[in-house]
Parts: sequence; structure tokens; C-alpha cells
Amino acid sequence: GAGVSQSPSNKVTEKGKDVELRCDPISGHTALYWYRQSLGQGLEFLIYFQGNSAPDKSGLPSDRFSAERTGGSVSTLTIQRTQQEDSAVYLCASSLDAREQYFGPGTRLTVT
Amino acid sequence: EDQVTQSPEALRLQEGESSSLNCSYTVSGLRGLFWYRQDPGKGPEFLFTLYSAGEEKEKERLKATLTKKESFLHITAPKPEDSATYLCAVLSGSARQLTFGSGTQLTVLP
Repeated sequence: GAGVSQSPSNKVTEKGKDVELRCDPISGHTALYWYRQSLGQGLEFLIYFQGNSAPDKSGLPSDRFSAERTGGSVSTLTIQRTQQEDSAVYLCASSLDAREQYFGPGTRLTVT
Repeated sequence: EDQVTQSPEALRLQEGESSSLNCSYTVSGLRGLFWYRQDPGKGPEFLFTLYSAGEEKEKERLKATLTKKESFLHITAPKPEDSATYLCAVLSGSARQLTFGSGTQLTVLP
């Protein structure tokens, strides 16, 4: 079956612009996660959605970052007023049981 | 705070030269330890989940083991296509997100 998909695969934006990153989880997976992977760094948790519950936003680095999940499926991560330190690969993962997480290919964001 | 440490940071092997990667962890109430493989420019690919000390899982040339303090990923007779970064992660207590180690970059030379 289809895995997790993300779009765009690459995004180059100017400092100060807003960007939206999209994630389509595996069908039927109720849990969805966003992580960030910076060059030479490990994966950093950003936000977690589980069904219709309020999201866990504890990993968001600043109020410029937000995410939503519509209809319990597709999720969008929005970064406002991008900064150069936001440059990273943004990874989305989904899970059926909130344990084993399956990752998408990521969106490489470059802020110039 | 959960901590995951992987060693070595990088490992170069000749084809057929078996070895092991280490993942040491400190968590409060382990709910699962996960191994992933990540190729350049791609997302992590799920390999194994281990839930309790003494558990072992195998897949082709890979075998993962778990103790109360660490996990090993054993690679038997590796091939060049096994070259990748191997990531270890833990899920603990009431946490919802995985805590990842920084990975071991494996290179298998033909």
C-alpha cells in the first residue's frame, strides 16, 4: 500500500516569507507526527496529532511554527516569517498504534 | 529526560566483515526501542521494534538485540547495499514522540 507522502520535496524560500509543508499519512493511521532533522543533528520532535484529541505542540521551537490536521488525515506544517535557522529536512510520520512510526521522504527547506 | 547514545558515529567495513552497532539508552519506563535505516535524501525506514530485555529480531543480514541498558544491531556478512545511517529511537513512559540517537553512518566497501 501507499506510504507516507510529503510535498514539496524541496522548498527554497527567502528569509521572512511564510511556507506550508504538507503530509499525507498512511490510510487508517490515526497518529501523525512532525519531526525536524538539521544537518548533523538527530531528529527533533515538533508536534503530534492523535485522532480528534488536542495536538501535543510541546516540541514546536517558536510561535512562528504551527500545524493542523484536517479530517483526521492530511496535515500541514506552517512556518511564518522564516529564518535561516529554520533550514532543515522536515519529516512526517504516521502510526497505527502510536508506537511504530512510518516516515515520509521529507521536505528539504532552505531559507536564503 | 530520555537519552539515546549511538556508537560508533561512523563505521567502515569491508564486504563480508561482520560487526555490531551500539545504542545505549536511559529512559523512565521503556515502551519500545526502534531501529531505522536512513539513506541519503530519504526518510527513515522502519526496521525493528524491541519491547523487552532479551528480545531479538532478525531481518536478512540484520539482527537486533535488547538488554536493560542497550541494544545492538548486528550486521552479518554485510554488502555494499547495507551502507546507510542506522538510527535508534526509544519510546518511554507516557511520551508520544520518539527520542532518537544521532545515528551510526555505515559504509560497506566492495
